[in-house]
Amino acid sequence: AQSVAQPEDQVNVAEGNPLTVKCTYSVSGNPYLFWYVQYPNRGLQFLLKYITGDNLVKGSYGFEAEFNKSQTSFHLKKPSALVSDSALYFCAVRDRDRGSTLGRLYFGRGTQLTVWP
Amino acid sequence: DGGITQSPKYLFRKEGQNVTLSCEQNLNHDAMYWYRQDPGQGLRLIYYSQIVNDFQKGDIAEGYSVSREKKESFPLTVTSAQKNPTAFYLCASSPRDRGTTNPGLKSGNTIYFGEGSWLTVV
Repeated sequence: AQSVAQPEDQVNVAEGNPLTVKCTYSVSGNPYLFWYVQYPNRGLQFLLKYITGDNLVKGSYGFEAEFNKSQTSFHLKKPSALVSDSALYFCAVRDRDRGSTLGRLYFGRGTQLTVWP
Repeated sequence: DGGITQSPKYLFRKEGQNVTLSCEQNLNHDAMYWYRQDPGQGLRLIYYSQIVNDFQKGDIAEGYSVSREKKESFPLTVTSAQKNPTAFYLCASSPRDRGTTNPGLKSGNTIYFGEGSWLTVV
């Protein structure tokens, strides 16, 4: 079965410091991996995705994520955090090899990132 | 501007009442989705549709119904059978792969979300 784990409900970091939001996944085949961000009372905004190729993916707002197949991880990173990065972050996976999934995404439970000044 | 429009933003439902949440997109996307978000539980899939006049149940379809009569529209009805409907509802859409054996089934296409609708039972 497809699943996504975000082991930290909350991540706190000081502005200017690097941040990491962790994600591990489980799929029966090869994955497509996504990160989304949600601000309060808003929909999800797409940040970046891994499809194939370079394991380091760069996305919006200076975020990047590294795909590690051996560790089945796709951690979100940013070299220097901003207070405005404070939000709820979701990792999601789609199994590219299972036709029965019909394109659906499986989401983690979300990680609340707080960046303090 | 292109995008996904959900309405209303806030909706209150009385016990025993059916309500319908609207979702319209002008992105020319074939696939559309409805998710429910509860605090601490992430997003759960209610229904999805890969093409007009076709839709599939997700993980928590009981107490909900949908229709897909037009490509741009995918309304969600929360029926009185849904015992705990208070939640944040998110509509989403994505393009389908074309020119493959199973269009849309092996897709790295991004799913894009609307701004959500809050439903509260009063």
